[in-house]
Amino acid sequence: KAGVTQTPRYLIKTRGQQVTLSCSPISGHRSVSWYQQTPGQGLQFLFEYFSETQRNKGNFPGRFSGRQFSNSRSEMNVSTLELGDSALYLCASSLQGNSYNEQFFGPGTRLTVL
Amino acid sequence: GENVEQHPSTLSVQEGDSAVIKCTYSDSASNYFPWYKQELGKGPQLIIDIRSNVGEKKDQRIAVTLNKTAKHFSLHITETQPEDSAVYFCAASKPAEYGNKLVFGAGTILRVKS
Repeated sequence: KAGVTQTPRYLIKTRGQQVTLSCSPISGHRSVSWYQQTPGQGLQFLFEYFSETQRNKGNFPGRFSGRQFSNSRSEMNVSTLELGDSALYLCASSLQGNSYNEQFFGPGTRLTVL
Repeated sequence: GENVEQHPSTLSVQEGDSAVIKCTYSDSASNYFPWYKQELGKGPQLIIDIRSNVGEKKDQRIAVTLNKTAKHFSLHITETQPEDSAVYFCAASKPAEYGNKLVFGAGTILRVKS
């Protein structure tokens, strides 16, 4: 099976712009979660989508949003970019069984805000 | 909210020695504890996980132990090899009905010297 794919892999934007990142989960996986990784804050949960519905949300401002499509692919959007949004954005997919939450990560999108 | 503490932040061992990384979690509802290995330029890779109904799990050179009473869990790597050098993250998650949200430790940089 193909793993989690994320596009683009690298992105450079300037302050005030907006950006959309894409994630394709492992085939058959219905849950997609997004995480932000920075040297200072580590890995932080942004939100999770399951069956096109946001099921869980972390402590990030409303500039961070996402959605999930019927084929389980997901996008996240960051509006009005700030310098502090520079980070590695990771997507993880999960089968979403009833007993455990095994999550598999993609390679990430490296966002640089200038 | 849920918090996961991880120690040590850096660990240097000689090739062939053992390495132990320890984590403590705060939310007693957590029932799933994965460990991830992250190499430079890549996303976190799930290497082993343990559920709260199990005290220990082993997979070749790696093992994880869980003490639910003390809310501690640890990663043990035996016979370390240079390719084990990476950043290791522990994480904790609550049951599926809470949604898929991993709370990560700050990470441990493991260096295996040959």
